[in-house]
Amino acid sequence: DAMVIQNPRYQVTQFGKPVTLSCSQTLNHNVMYWYQQKSSQAPKLLFHYYDKDFNNEADTPDNFQSRRPNTSFCFLDIRSPGLGDAAMYLCATSRDPVYEQYFGPGTRLTVT
Amino acid sequence: QQPVQSPQAVILREGEDAVINCSSSKALYSVHWYRQKHGEAPVFLMILLKGGEQKGHEKISASFNEKKQQSSLYLTASQLSYSGTYFCGTEIQGAQKLVFGQGTRLTINP
Repeated sequence: DAMVIQNPRYQVTQFGKPVTLSCSQTLNHNVMYWYQQKSSQAPKLLFHYYDKDFNNEADTPDNFQSRRPNTSFCFLDIRSPGLGDAAMYLCATSRDPVYEQYFGPGTRLTVT
Repeated sequence: QQPVQSPQAVILREGEDAVINCSSSKALYSVHWYRQKHGEAPVFLMILLKGGEQKGHEKISASFNEKKQQSSLYLTASQLSYSGTYFCGTEIQGAQKLVFGQGTRLTINP
């Protein structure tokens, strides 16, 4: 089945130690999104790619970076994780920004 | 810019109806609805587009009042499986992204 896959599902990192989260999709969708979701809150958009065009949200900290080497893969790099970065990170894809988004299962990040 | 959802939480008995509202202060191009169960990813329910087009694939209906920038999600004859947190996501024309409301937690009891 076509789907959105995120690895790892759970990630524990130390304060200040860089971490990379990955997302892959078999849907061949043009748009890939990264959201941060903290407990009992709405998903918050960090950035998205429309094909190769990168769109950063104004309030996304510089500590967060992203790469999309090809249509299928997208990475979220957190250069120096702080305790406040502990959250669920959701990757989503859509054929076009106006179409429905398909979410991956998420990566739960713990910062110790 | 975040849309406002109401109510924040609803508790129903199986078979009862529910309405969840989403309101924005900005002119909207589309409204999306998603349901998220605890510990899982959000799942798409429905899109309502400016101009009246509606796309969805579950037995759930919704409305979009473009003049008032409001949308409502209607859950009729609720089932236990409807439990979860419902999020509306609003898209401002040209923005090419969604901003999600704070969510409405729906609990269905037997």
